[in-house]
Amino acid sequence: DQQVKQNSPSLSVQEGRISILNCDYTNSMFDYFLWYKKYPAEGPTFLISISSIKDKNEDGRFTVFLNKSAKHLSLHIVPSQPGDSAVYFCAATSWSGAGSYQLTFGKGTKLSVIP
Amino acid sequence: NAGVTQTPKFRVLKTGQSMTLLCAQDMNHEYMYWYRQDPGMGLRLIHYSVGEGTTAKGEVPDGYNVSRLKKQNFLLGLESAAPSQTSVYFCASSQRQGREAFFGQGTRLTVV
Repeated sequence: DQQVKQNSPSLSVQEGRISILNCDYTNSMFDYFLWYKKYPAEGPTFLISISSIKDKNEDGRFTVFLNKSAKHLSLHIVPSQPGDSAVYFCAATSWSGAGSYQLTFGKGTKLSVIP
Repeated sequence: NAGVTQTPKFRVLKTGQSMTLLCAQDMNHEYMYWYRQDPGMGLRLIHYSVGEGTTAKGEVPDGYNVSRLKKQNFLLGLESAAPSQTSVYFCASSQRQGREAFFGQGTRLTVV
């Protein structure tokens, strides 16, 4: 059962426009959410995160919004640049109950920013 | 500033062979993880460690063993490789568990 869902495998956006990447989750125990960016042949790199006690976090061109009632979060990139073309993973953290936190990843969304 | 380094970057194994993947981090992080990434599957946790001398099972641990004899190193072993273990393997480390993690560049493993 997939607890973190990224329903759009791919997204194409014109350079300069806004990119919106979406993520839905089912586990109400998730208390921290992260976005990672991954270029081909490289490891994922941390982009931005948000705690469940907040509904927005902003870092430069990147903003993450959290809607707990809808169990939905989104990543906004404004303005989009060709260098933003990558696969974006949504991830969520919960206490496993076995003495550790578990980080669960979505399947990723491939963003293509067209010049 | 190396961060997280994985060795090797590529490997081809025959079914039944064994190998060890090495992960080294220079950030003095307590927590280390091994993930595998398969097409359309995202990243799945194999094993993790909350400190030197400790290991624990993740989501997909079968067929793998790990060791954390030194704080900076986390080894992933395959005792008898199977084609189903063909994947890209990522090591990661973090200062706080469940928070921002730093990933290595990955090891592409093919089992034939």
